[in-house]
Amino acid sequence: SQTIHQWPATLVQPVGSPLSLECTVEGTSNPNLYWYRQAAGRGLQLLFYSVGIGQISSEVPQNLSASRPQDRQFILSSKKLLLSDSGFYLCAWSVSYGYSNQPQHFGDGTRLSIL
Amino acid sequence: ILNVEQSPQSLHVQEGDSTNFTCSFPSSNFYALHWYRWETAKSPEALFVMTLNGDEKKKGRISATLNTKEGYSYLYIKGSQPEDSATYLCAFGTATDSWGKLQFGAGTQVVVTP
Repeated sequence: SQTIHQWPATLVQPVGSPLSLECTVEGTSNPNLYWYRQAAGRGLQLLFYSVGIGQISSEVPQNLSASRPQDRQFILSSKKLLLSDSGFYLCAWSVSYGYSNQPQHFGDGTRLSIL
Repeated sequence: ILNVEQSPQSLHVQEGDSTNFTCSFPSSNFYALHWYRWETAKSPEALFVMTLNGDEKKKGRISATLNTKEGYSYLYIKGSQPEDSATYLCAFGTATDSWGKLQFGAGTQVVVTP
C-alpha cells in the first residue's frame, strides 16, 4: 500500500532563517506531488506541484521554492523566512495519469511558526 | 481569491440528527469535484470524487450529490455521530488542467455533540 511521510511535524524558526521541509512517498511510482499551505482561517492554497523529477510548477509568487530530486521525494525550501510564511504545510500525492479525477492523499502536515 | 465557496463555515449538530452543507464552484470548465474529511490531528482523507452531473456517492452514513450545471454539491451526514466531527473540504478540478491540480474551499467545520 502507498504511504506518505512528511517531516518535521512542528517547526519554530526565526525570521530570516532558512527552511527545508521534506516529503516522501512509498508504494507508488511517478506520482504527482503537491505542496499546500493553510493560513489561519483560510482554505488550502496550492504552492507547488510536480509531475516528474526536476519538473516543478509554482502557483504563487513567494520566497519559497520546491525541488524534486528523486521520483518520490519533494522538498519545500526557503533561503530567508518571512513572518507571513507561518502556517500549516501539507504535502500530497496523486496517481500521475488523468486529470483531476484522482483523489489526493495527504501527509500529516508541518506546523511552521515564525518568530 | 477562492472560486470555491463552502457554507456554512461551521455548524453544530446534535448526535443522531442529520445535516447537510454546500460547496459552490464555477459551472464552466468543470472536470471533477472532490470531498475530503479532515479530522483534528489527522491528515485530510478523500471521501468522494465526482465527475458527472447528477452523480451521487455514498460511504456509510455520508453521501454527496453533484450539480455541474448550476455549480454546487451537497454533502449529507445521516444520523450524525461524534466521530463525524471534522472539517469537510471540497475541491474542484478544471478540464483545462492535466496535472491533477485542485482548488479547495475553506471548509465546513462540523461539531457533533452527544
